[in-house]
Amino acid sequence: GNSVTQMEGPVTLSEEAFLTINCTYTATGYPSLFWYVQYPGEGLQLLLKATKADDKGSNKGFEATYRKETTSFHLEKGSVQVSDSAVYFCALLYSSASKIIFGSGTRLSIRP
Amino acid sequence: DAGVTQSPTHLIKTRGQHVTLRCSPISGHKSVSWYQQVLGQGPQFIFQYYEKEERGRGNFPDRFSARQFPNYSSELNVNALLLGDSALYLCASSFSSGNTGELFFGEGSRLTVL
Repeated sequence: GNSVTQMEGPVTLSEEAFLTINCTYTATGYPSLFWYVQYPGEGLQLLLKATKADDKGSNKGFEATYRKETTSFHLEKGSVQVSDSAVYFCALLYSSASKIIFGSGTRLSIRP
Repeated sequence: DAGVTQSPTHLIKTRGQHVTLRCSPISGHKSVSWYQQVLGQGPQFIFQYYEKEERGRGNFPDRFSARQFPNYSSELNVNALLLGDSALYLCASSFSSGNTGELFFGEGSRLTVL
């Protein structure tokens, strides 16, 4: 079936470190891919998305590239800040389906 | 502008009871989806409604039901509660029925079943 697998957390980094959170997916066809973020005390927010192979989604310094050959959508940021501390969810969507399939989430903590 | 609002924010029930959770979408949004998020896991799709009609249903038992009202607000009902129903219930809204994946989530209703 369709699924999303992301690296387990928690991930703890120092401020200004480079961040990678791995995400791979299993799906037939060509899903759209997303990263959602859940800041403490807030609802889930869409961070970025990519709708086809080789697309790069970007927002707030975060980037992720849709890699069909490796079925991956890894999240990266060159220099993290304390305010980036949150739980990050990788997700996929089929255009014909009504549901988004989420990964299990990766908790990120940034030390000052 | 008001975001997606959910009520109640927290509630405690006992096994066998019934619960109703409420959601008001962002103004102008006509689609509402419900997700269940068990601690330590990602959200799992329960329902999507658009223009008062069910457009999708996840793999949940018939104890779970929902509806959407003419003002696009929505209720999620769960009957005969089980311990395993303890979770954060998330409501999300979007403008159209065509799911682009760009959902706007509320902060959720945290249900504890004792």
